[in-house]
Amino acid sequence: LAKTTQPISMDSYEGQEVNITCSHNNIATNDYITWYQQFPSQGPRFIIQGYKTKVTNEVASLFIPADRKSSTLSLPRVSLSDTAVYYCLVGDYSSASKIIFGSGTRLSIRP
Amino acid sequence: GAVVSQHPSRVICKSGTSVKIECRSLDFQATTMFWYRQFPKKSLMLMATSNEGSKATYEQGVEKDKFLINHASLTLSTLTVTSAHPEDSSFYICSARAGTSRDETQYFGPGTRLLVL
Repeated sequence: LAKTTQPISMDSYEGQEVNITCSHNNIATNDYITWYQQFPSQGPRFIIQGYKTKVTNEVASLFIPADRKSSTLSLPRVSLSDTAVYYCLVGDYSSASKIIFGSGTRLSIRP
Repeated sequence: GAVVSQHPSRVICKSGTSVKIECRSLDFQATTMFWYRQFPKKSLMLMATSNEGSKATYEQGVEKDKFLINHASLTLSTLTVTSAHPEDSSFYICSARAGTSRDETQYFGPGTRLLVL
């Protein structure tokens, strides 16, 4: 299981673009990278998932370099409601492997 | 995305009683379900992995006789905290994975807040 390392916390302001980087040096060939968002007293919510290069959906973009040893979650024009903990997870989803959560990044957005 | 529900959303019980938490995948069949526990301001800690029709696999340090997990169908898994004590008070979250070639994503339930008095 690839271990992930993220900044413990980040601060930003409304309207800014926020980039959260995750390191996963031991990522395996079959591993995917998934990002979740969690608000207090709620279950994690799926944000985006990717294997390589760039993935974009309606809420975020995920950038993965060629070596896949890191990934960056990009949140465009954040708002106060984006204040949450963001988790980067790496795992082989093609089997019944378990997913282990790291410490996550606590993102605080200010007016 | 797929929807996972949990019931109850919160429960308060007396020490020594047992509490059952249900986890349901509402619009997909979950071949694998996971149970996590989360303490305040901490990350999710995996407790066990269960596959439909087979015994759950518990993580190291998790007492299988205390946290009974049943995955009787492809849409339902239950976690029973037996003889609960105040230290079992926590936020319990389940997740489910369809395990198909089209969707390997893990979807999480809203969580269950357990308070043992």
